[in-house]
Amino acid sequence: GNSVTQMEGPVTLSEEAFLTINCTYTATGYPSLFWYVQYPGEGLQLLLKATKADDKGSNKGFEATYRKETTSFHLEKGSVQVSDSAVYFCALSGGNTPLVFGKGTRLSVIA
Amino acid sequence: GAVVSQHPSWVICKSGTSVKIECRSLDFQATTMFWYRQFPKQSLMLMATSNEGSKATYEQGVEKDKFLINHASLTLSTLTVTSAHPEDSSFYICSARAGVGYGYTFGSGTRLTVV
Repeated sequence: GNSVTQMEGPVTLSEEAFLTINCTYTATGYPSLFWYVQYPGEGLQLLLKATKADDKGSNKGFEATYRKETTSFHLEKGSVQVSDSAVYFCALSGGNTPLVFGKGTRLSVIA
Repeated sequence: GAVVSQHPSWVICKSGTSVKIECRSLDFQATTMFWYRQFPKQSLMLMATSNEGSKATYEQGVEKDKFLINHASLTLSTLTVTSAHPEDSSFYICSARAGVGYGYTFGSGTRLTVV
């Protein structure tokens, strides 16, 4: 079945540091890939997505590229801010199937 | 953009009572809604998928008689936790989409505490 593996946290960075959160997936066919962000006490917000190989999703300075050859969708940001502190979830969907989530990575950015 | 409203945002109830959580799509018709449960510092676990007008499909290990899901209209789904116990305390999140190929929109979640 479909599954998502993402690096375990917590990740603690200083403001303006470079961020990478690794995500790899296992799926049949050609899934769509997503990154969601969850701020404390809130639901999930879509951060970015990619629907086919080599697509790059981007939003709010975050980027992730759909790499079919390595089955990866790593999240990156060049310069994190304190306000980026949250839990980040990598997820995939096989079209008509519900989202499958990774375990989440907690990011803490300190000033 | 698509908005999903989930209420209440938090609820405290006594053990043995039932609690209803509502999930409404405000500006689109949600043919499919999903209910997730999230334990502290863990990922989201899919509980069930419901299509409007049909019985919900529950994931393995989820008690359908305890977690009653109703999706009677294209804009409303409800999750009722019956005879709640402290182990049911958790963060419940709904998600909705208009159909295959459409994006998923999440509610803001409901924190249930059973005392």
